[in-house]
Parts: sequence; structure tokens; C-alpha cells
Amino acid sequence: AQSVTQPDIHITVSEGASLELRCNYSYGATPYLFWYVQSPGQGLQLLLKYFSGDTLVQGIKGFEAEFKRSQSSFNLRKPSVHWSDAAEYFCAVGALNFGNEKLTFGTGTRLTIIP
Amino acid sequence: IAGITQAPTSQILAAGRRMTLRCTQDMRHNAMYWYRQDLGLGLRLIHYSNTAGTTGKGEVPDGYSVSRANTDDFPLTLASAVPSQTSVYFCASSDRVIRDRFRGTEAFFGQGTRLTVV
Repeated sequence: AQSVTQPDIHITVSEGASLELRCNYSYGATPYLFWYVQSPGQGLQLLLKYFSGDTLVQGIKGFEAEFKRSQSSFNLRKPSVHWSDAAEYFCAVGALNFGNEKLTFGTGTRLTIIP
Repeated sequence: IAGITQAPTSQILAAGRRMTLRCTQDMRHNAMYWYRQDLGLGLRLIHYSNTAGTTGKGEVPDGYSVSRANTDDFPLTLASAVPSQTSVYFCASSDRVIRDRFRGTEAFFGQGTRLTVV
């Protein structure tokens, strides 16, 4: 069964500082990996995704993530955070099998930005 | 604007009552999903549907039922609500393309329904 672990429940960073949110997954084959962001009271919005090819993927809002197969990780990074980045971030792994497609989400990391 | 619409936005429901959460998408996506979001537990899949006419159970299906009579609609029904079903419910859809496995299957989410069972 696939699973996702986000070890950091809550992270606080200063505005302008760099950010890295951790994500580890468990999946038997090549995974489809996603990062979603959820602003307060809102639904989830896709930040970026990885399916194959270049292991460093660029997303919206200046975010990037690197797929490392050897470490089963897909960490999210941003070189300089903005106050508007305060939100909940979810990593997810997808499985595309014939007749069955599901996303499994991590428990999320809440990001707080301090001035 | 294309996307997913959920209704109602929020609801307070007496325990034992029946409730249907509505979800409609206009993107002609094959697959649709219902998740519940609870603090500390993230999003957990309740039920899913790969295509109209088919449904499947997710991680936490007990107490919930779904139907998929057509491509656009995927209602979630609580037959007899209990307080443990207090949660925020998200409907999502994705374009499941088997013939192009590398295209990917990102999910698009609705704004959620906040349900309180008292």
C-alpha cells in the first residue's frame, strides 16, 4: 500500500528566509508525486507534480521540489518565503493502475511566517 | 468558471439525520473522489469513482455512500449522521488517461463542506 509521511507538523520561518518541507513516500513502483497548498478556509491547490524525467520540478509561486528515489523523498523548497505563503502544505502520492486510481495524502505541514 | 462546486458550504446536522453533500464538476473528468479532512489526520479518502456507473471504497467508507449516475455529479450521503462524522469534506476530480500514463492525474478540489453533527 502507498503511504506518505510529512514529519513536520508545524514550521515557522521568517519572511525572506528559505524553506524546505519534507515528504517521504512509500510506493512499490515509480510514483506520481504532488504538492498541494491549502489556504485557510479554502480547498487544495496544486503547487507542482512529478511523473518522470527531470527530478527537479518547478511549480507555481516560486516553489520547487526534488524527487530523490534513493531516499524516497520529494521535498518542497522555496528560496525566499513571503507572508502570503502561510498555509497548510500537503504532499501526495498517486497510483495509476488499471481500474483503480487514488491519491494518498500526508497529514500536512502548517507553515507560519513571521515578519 | 470551470471547476468543482460543492454544496452546501457548511451545515449543522442533528445526529441520526440523513444528509447528502453535493458535488458537481464541469471539466468532464473521469474520476471523482470524496475526502474528509480532520486535524492531525490530513485528508482521508472516503469513496471514489473511476468513471460514471462505478464506485469504490476508500480508506474510511463506513457510514457513507456514493453514486455516480453521470460524469458530472458525485453526491456523498450520510445515511444516519454521527458526531464522529463532523469534519470538512472535499470533493475532487481528475482526468484519468490510461493510454498516456505519463500525463499524470492531478486532482482538482472543491472549496469544501464544513459539516458539524451535534
